[in-house]
Amino acid sequence: NTKITQSPRYLILGRANKSLECEQHLGHNAMYWYKQSAEKPPELMFLYNLKQLIRNETVPSRFIPECPDSSKLLLHISAVDPEDSAVYFCASSQGQSNERLFFGHGTKLSVL
Amino acid sequence: GDSVTQTEGLVTLTEGLPVMLNCTYQSTYSPFLFWYVQHLNEAPKLLLKSFTDNKRPEHQGFHATLHKSSSSFHLQKSSAQLSDSALYYCASDYGSSGNKLIFGIGTLLSVKP
Repeated sequence: NTKITQSPRYLILGRANKSLECEQHLGHNAMYWYKQSAEKPPELMFLYNLKQLIRNETVPSRFIPECPDSSKLLLHISAVDPEDSAVYFCASSQGQSNERLFFGHGTKLSVL
Repeated sequence: GDSVTQTEGLVTLTEGLPVMLNCTYQSTYSPFLFWYVQHLNEAPKLLLKSFTDNKRPEHQGFHATLHKSSSSFHLQKSSAQLSDSALYYCASDYGSSGNKLIFGIGTLLSVKP
């Protein structure tokens, strides 16, 4: 899936700071961050529509999203915790509709 | 509160047999229901979405019917294939502003030869 690209693909961290990046080439207006912990379903973290933060779920303050333009999404993580080990999926859709929600391949974060 | 329930954690089938994965929802609204499929180490992909006019969505041999009377959206396929082995999530979009997908816990479908 090259329509939504995420980097890095794998990330191993101690208690460091890092940013996850996502770019979509679909012309969508809405972008999402989902967290999928081991053996659990994806859970919404943040939703942006037209660069505006629309939904901010109950997420630790060490996660800070940024949407520099409608095709790019960043997730800044500071002082990661072992409970943050998960796959972080970026997703996008046209508008805020979930009708055509496309997921990126994810960034697998492993916290030492 | 709003929720999606998938009762089976693991379904094991022999190739060629019919597939039925259960999904029920609880909501005060009339949500859209979805089925997502996730193969190992891959991202979830949309498989099916319910229609507002009660049409039955179909894709890759799978279909599901939204029954509002029983609050169900079970996933079915007439004949399982080995390549159908994957994790299947039922999800609901309750249509609130800033739509949020609520996923069930998932059902792992394992198809054996």
